[in-house]
Amino acid sequence: QKEVEQDPGPLSVPEGAIVSLNCTYSNSAFQYFMWYRQYSRKGPELLMYTYSSGNKEDGRFTAQVDKSSKYISLFIRDSQPSDSATYLCAMFRGGYNKLIFGAGTRLAVHP
Amino acid sequence: GAVVSQHPSRVICKSGTSVKIECRSLDFQATTMFWYRQFPKQSLMLMATSNEGSKATYEQGVEKDKFLINHASLTLSTLTVTSAHPEDSSFYICSATVGGTTDFNSPLHFGNGTRLTVT
Repeated sequence: QKEVEQDPGPLSVPEGAIVSLNCTYSNSAFQYFMWYRQYSRKGPELLMYTYSSGNKEDGRFTAQVDKSSKYISLFIRDSQPSDSATYLCAMFRGGYNKLIFGAGTRLAVHP
Repeated sequence: GAVVSQHPSRVICKSGTSVKIECRSLDFQATTMFWYRQFPKQSLMLMATSNEGSKATYEQGVEKDKFLINHASLTLSTLTVTSAHPEDSSFYICSATVGGTTDFNSPLHFGNGTRLTVT
């Protein structure tokens, strides 16, 4: 069993839709959770960074962490074609040298 | 914000040759840089942690003699793939943080990656 599970998709939605991206994890020691966006042939770009359980909002993006269920989500409101990318969840239990990534979900937002 | 620059973005080399990839932190000093490898449609896998002025720490299964890492200054780390073979073809990405491995207030920033193709 992988430490972090993420559905690779692809996920295709119309412009303006609300997108829900999710990851589950098995290690209850994870405390810091991140979402990265990666465009094709580019490095990952940090979107959201949360500690422990709860919600965090930044513009059209909302990150949610439910540690009791070992489940994290990223919601994108009013999705745009420019949101089309691969979204990677990442988390760690120790230092950055123990950062564990999900496989990434490919999202396509069509006009 | 923090910027990490990686060069080259793309390289094609012949089997048996060596390739050097550079990773620079442009507007901050990075005591620690990380090297990842990403296969198509797969996640990032940490290869090694590079510490300025000391030897890199390699993850299990990563050959340190094949993937040479040098971190000679606070703004530059290099990864050299020695005697490259077709199975080394991959997307290599570096990352860095201002605060080191345990400063969780300083998020990890990534370079744009290097696509290596070995023929």
